[in-house]
Amino acid sequence: NAGVTQTPKFQVLKTGQSMTLQCAQDMNHEYMSWYRQDPGMGLRLIHYSVGAGITDQGEVPNGYNVSRSTTEDFPLRLLSAAPSQTSVYFCASSPGTGRTEAFFGQGTRLTVV
Amino acid sequence: DAKTTQPPSMDCAEGRAANLPCNHSTISGNEYVYWYRQIHSQGPQYIIHGLKNNETNEMASLIITEDRKSSTLILPHATLRDTAVYYCIVRVAHGSSNTGKLIFGQGTTLQVKP
Repeated sequence: NAGVTQTPKFQVLKTGQSMTLQCAQDMNHEYMSWYRQDPGMGLRLIHYSVGAGITDQGEVPNGYNVSRSTTEDFPLRLLSAAPSQTSVYFCASSPGTGRTEAFFGQGTRLTVV
Repeated sequence: DAKTTQPPSMDCAEGRAANLPCNHSTISGNEYVYWYRQIHSQGPQYIIHGLKNNETNEMASLIITEDRKSSTLILPHATLRDTAVYYCIVRVAHGSSNTGKLIFGQGTTLQVKP
């Protein structure tokens, strides 16, 4: 198993550009989520999903969209990038039953100039 | 999800036990205590979780007080590779629609020194 795979690892955007951060997991997990981490801070939840076709907002959802058309993929879309969205983004997945620990990807480091 | 309070930083000598405290005085009866750590901006890594009994695995031990208002993560023989930010999180068990989300606080930066 590859676990949770995030692409790209690094990205530089200009203000106003849009892009999609990709997240895929091969563990057949029901739950997936996106976090952002600003320098010196803990992770903050952006959006999460409890299954295909079901998403909900986290603590800081503004400026981001998500969809969950398959169990494996949970892309995060930045609609119009702003410098305040410069951050490291982490995707996580966890099973719906049984062991409930979350598995995290290695992150996408995004800079908006 | 209940709020947690952790000290911002701690030091530990290599080879000694590291005891990381966490207060969660508003924890509900159906909320578990989870510990994760983050090494140098990598993705967080699960360590251990528990409800009310003490738990032990290959990485650490978790001691939860009888009233469940606080807990301690114990790394029995800390090594330099254990230097990381440790997060204590409380959340409902699986089966709830909230299971998919974790609410992180600031965590404790543990520095293991030679």
